Amino acid sequence: DSGVTQTPKHLITATGQRVTLRCSPRSGDLSVYWYQQSLDQGLQFLIQYYNGEERAKGNILERFSAQQFPDLHSELNLSSLELGDSALYFCASSVGWSRSSGANVLTFGAGSRLTVL
Amino acid sequence: DAKTTQPPSMDCAEGRAANLPCNHSTISGNEYVYWYRQIHSQGPQYIIHGLKNNETNEMASLIITEDRKSSTLILPHATLRDTAVYYCIVSRPSGNTPLVFGKGTRLSVIA
Repeated sequence: DSGVTQTPKHLITATGQRVTLRCSPRSGDLSVYWYQQSLDQGLQFLIQYYNGEERAKGNILERFSAQQFPDLHSELNLSSLELGDSALYFCASSVGWSRSSGANVLTFGAGSRLTVL
Repeated sequence: DAKTTQPPSMDCAEGRAANLPCNHSTISGNEYVYWYRQIHSQGPQYIIHGLKNNETNEMASLIITEDRKSSTLILPHATLRDTAVYYCIVSRPSGNTPLVFGKGTRLSVIA
């Protein structure tokens, strides 16, 4: 158990629908990252939040949105779903850059597998 | 962030050392080298990171060349459970810089 909790583990839905994926970061971590992994694209960075604020944005579609709440959990909302959105969605958290270690180590959750039919 | 180049796949006999190479010839002076691995469809797992010096932890050793243009991850005694995709990532020391994953090296440990 990495300490990063993602729900649901599996989700099957239809095209055109909307889903919400949830992530609880490790205790003490302020940053949350979302990644998408499909078979042909590898791990793609979507978006990052730090203490409730958006800090970095990757190739996130306009149909997708995310937010980080005051308790630091995050939600990724996927709407108008298409077949191509079927993928594993990973959340990762980090405390942020550490001056002592020089690193920004990300801890990943187990992922949410989305299947769009 | 600098780009990395890794072989797409490698085999290693169980019990032997697995040496995974990574080229990062355009690395900047303040960029760190990170290694992660992903076992099947599990979430990526952090292994080790370094800047200039060689590093060792309970999982692996990281050897960075003096010019920092390449590095090698060493798993000293590979087991079947080390079969995974290994990612070498170069990134700036910033809490706002997400890690960019390439295609990695698929390591198969063979009994």
